Amino acid sequence: GENVEQHPSTLSVQEGDSAVIKCTYSDSASNYFPWYKQELGKRPQLIIDIRSNVGEKKDQRIAVTLNKTAKHFSLHITETQPEDSAVYFCAAAPTGTASKLTFGTGTRLQVTL
Amino acid sequence: DGGITQSPKYLFRKEGQNVTLSCEQNLNHDAMYWYRQDPGQGLRLIYYSQIVNDFQKGDIAEGYSVSREKKESFPLTVTSAQKNPTAFYLCASSVLTGGTPGYTFGSGTRLTVV
Repeated sequence: GENVEQHPSTLSVQEGDSAVIKCTYSDSASNYFPWYKQELGKRPQLIIDIRSNVGEKKDQRIAVTLNKTAKHFSLHITETQPEDSAVYFCAAAPTGTASKLTFGTGTRLQVTL
Repeated sequence: DGGITQSPKYLFRKEGQNVTLSCEQNLNHDAMYWYRQDPGQGLRLIYYSQIVNDFQKGDIAEGYSVSREKKESFPLTVTSAQKNPTAFYLCASSVLTGGTPGYTFGSGTRLTVV
């Protein structure tokens, strides 16, 4: 089955700096890669996703890049703000939809003032 | 207001007791999922269902059971065979084809063994 590894497990950045979270996956059939943000005590929420026919996708301060050859994808957050502090999960699915996602172990991002 | 509802928010289980966690969605999603979340271990799949009256084991199904008698409902029973059930349980739903991909999560149930 699919295996998703995520690094780092914790990340501390100063407000205004950029943050990068990296994930690797094992199943070459995976072609859907979402990222979820989970604030303390709340449900995970989808913040951005990418499909394998696209190399990069941006949404304001958030971007995701995908290298299908190397089987890795990354989340980039620019101009970080305190409200970006949360746990971020990457995931992968071997179909064109969200069926049966395999999640990474999460990255706790702390944005300090 | 479409969404996915989990209940109860907090649940306490005594040793040897079975408990059932509720998950209901009104999004008309075909697929539903149960994940367990432990600190530092991310989200691990317990069971999932892509169609009524059918479900599949995930990576950590031992000690759990589910049913899918209605499209809207996917309850999870934590049985006495689950030796370490204390965790945060998340239910999710998604479309299978077309539509907007990605899971919609419920707000979770925190289960504690007392």
